Amino acid sequence: DTEVTQTPKHLVMGMTNKKSLKCEQHMGHRAMYWYKQKAKKPPELMFVYSYEKLSINESVPSRFSPECPNSSLLNLHLHALQPEDSALYLCASSQEPGYQETQYFGPGTRLLVL
Amino acid sequence: GEDVEQSLFLSVREGDSSVINCTYTDSSSTYLYWYKQEPGAGLQLLTYIFSNMDMKQDQRLTVLLNKKDKHLSLRIADTQTGDSAIYFCAESAPNAGNNRKLIWGLGTSLGVNP
Repeated sequence: DTEVTQTPKHLVMGMTNKKSLKCEQHMGHRAMYWYKQKAKKPPELMFVYSYEKLSINESVPSRFSPECPNSSLLNLHLHALQPEDSALYLCASSQEPGYQETQYFGPGTRLLVL
Repeated sequence: GEDVEQSLFLSVREGDSSVINCTYTDSSSTYLYWYKQEPGAGLQLLTYIFSNMDMKQDQRLTVLLNKKDKHLSLRIADTQTGDSAIYFCAESAPNAGNNRKLIWGLGTSLGVNP
């Protein structure tokens, strides 16, 4: 089973709202990732968690706040977003951080900020 | 710096073979990947090849790697309308600490005509 699940599938929020995106994997993977993807573009890496610790933050604005409650779950907390933050947010996981980065992606959350 | 290049569009007739090409620059790459993204969906890992291999075949998919020229190709035999999607090439390259990151091409949009 190489499934990564994400909820919600779609999200519409105002610029003053607070919302959270959720990601879950049960493959025993120890690395989890958040990506942002604009239409017809490749995904852009936002955060990497290795063994439940934040290991990479690609200079993402503080209005995005990641959290890894346990080895299977990854959250992305959203607050005071801007319309340009509208995008597809993808979660991924890989078996081990470092050597082999074969990443398995979830279906994504399509976010619209009004 | 690292760079991955792909042609942006490819159009084929149903039943023909499709060949999607990719070039990369990082000589320390270990794994090279092909991901498929259908409209409105997440990224599906199609196949990957380790950099010491020349070829990998998986049902209708054949990956060829020319390490000297840093050229990767994906051949889809008997292309079907369900193969219409964007195909992303990605290489695994060094990142901060002991991490690695995926360097993405811009994606090739494959159109299949009945």
